[in-house]
Amino acid sequence: QKEVEQNSGPLSVPEGAIASLNCTYSDRGSQSFFWYRQYSGKSPELIMFIYSNGDKEDGRFTAQLNKASQYVSLLIRDSQPSDSATYLCAVNSGGYQKVTFGTGTKLQVIP
Amino acid sequence: KAGVTQTPRYLIKTRGQQVTLSCSPISGHRSVSWYQQTPGQGLQFLFEYFSETQRNKGNFPGRFSGRQFSNSRSEMNVSTLELGDSALYLCASTPAVRNEQFFGPGTRLTVL
Repeated sequence: QKEVEQNSGPLSVPEGAIASLNCTYSDRGSQSFFWYRQYSGKSPELIMFIYSNGDKEDGRFTAQLNKASQYVSLLIRDSQPSDSATYLCAVNSGGYQKVTFGTGTKLQVIP
Repeated sequence: KAGVTQTPRYLIKTRGQQVTLSCSPISGHRSVSWYQQTPGQGLQFLFEYFSETQRNKGNFPGRFSGRQFSNSRSEMNVSTLELGDSALYLCASTPAVRNEQFFGPGTRLTVL
């Protein structure tokens, strides 16, 4: 069983819609959760992090964490073509920088 | 603040050779992690250094090694290169009291 699982996509949404990206993890002791955006040919860029159950909002982005269900999601409101990228979910299982990445979900925002 | 820098950006080597990659973290960041990224495997953790000590290590063979200097700059070395080592190698730095990682632009290694 993979430690961090994401649907590889592609997830296609029309411009202006809400994109919903999901991630599940296997280690119940996980403490920190991150979302990275990676454009083709570029390195990952941190866009959100969340440590507590519930929602965290930053501009058009909302991260949602449910530790009981071992589930973390990223909502992108008013999706723009520039949001088209691969989104990586990362989980810190505790203890220094033991971070595991999912394989990413490719998002396509259609104009 | 300047971001994470990695050198060189591109490398072409042949099988059996060795290679050294360099990473300079964001000023004040003491933790440096290395990752290998390939289309098939995604981001795979190599190792993490903090204050010149390796704290975590991923599941890679001993051909992959690293070190960190007193100024937090880090190097990774791959010996006896194999075709399968062709990948994007990413370095990430982390502030001492937080967990967010900030990635450098990567080094694209091609092994022929």
